[in-house]
Amino acid sequence: SAVISQKPSRDICQRGTSLTIQCQVDSQVTMMFWYRQQPGQSLTLIATANQGSEATYESGFVIDKFPISRPNLTFSTLTVSNMSPEDSSIYLCSVRAGELFFGEGSRLTVL
Amino acid sequence: ILNVEQSPQSLHVQEGDSTNFTCSFPSSNFYALHWYRWETAKSPEALFVMTLNGDEKKKGRISATLNTKEGYSYLYIKGSQPEDSATYLCAHGDKIIFGKGTRLHILP
Repeated sequence: SAVISQKPSRDICQRGTSLTIQCQVDSQVTMMFWYRQQPGQSLTLIATANQGSEATYESGFVIDKFPISRPNLTFSTLTVSNMSPEDSSIYLCSVRAGELFFGEGSRLTVL
Repeated sequence: ILNVEQSPQSLHVQEGDSTNFTCSFPSSNFYALHWYRWETAKSPEALFVMTLNGDEKKKGRISATLNTKEGYSYLYIKGSQPEDSATYLCAHGDKIIFGKGTRLHILP
């Protein structure tokens, strides 16, 4: 299993600003995953954060909008850049060991 | 079916009653089927990971079945309790593609 700490837990942001979400895992992992759940939608994979290389983004997500850092094997950040109301979502980081283990999520509201 | 579909979207069940809901997924190139429970203000938590056709798994009052040939899985909850109120997510494949979930409300 893995214990994942994520912050902030929630935030209200102004349109056009950026916010960085932090994710800390209690063990070393090769890959960390960032998900988003927009209201009424599926939990959707944004990107896979790899230590020592650039993140791998899923279709529809780009590095300029969601830059990711992965400085070591226990930590990652996701930045939501130039936010608009459509970015209002719950953002989750996770790691995989057969099943997925998730952080508690960051609920962002963009006004 | 191209994506993971879950039904119903929402469900209200009287405490003590049993219930079930469905996950449908592409039947070709099956890899694995996951069920998660997501309670409000908490992390999604894995219930089951199923890989074999005909597999049936159980955890307390919750059980799940899997039919990979026809592309569906059922989740059953026996004798619902208030703590069962949550969103139940189904996910499929190597990349773990999620459905939209079934939101379960247990009525006291």
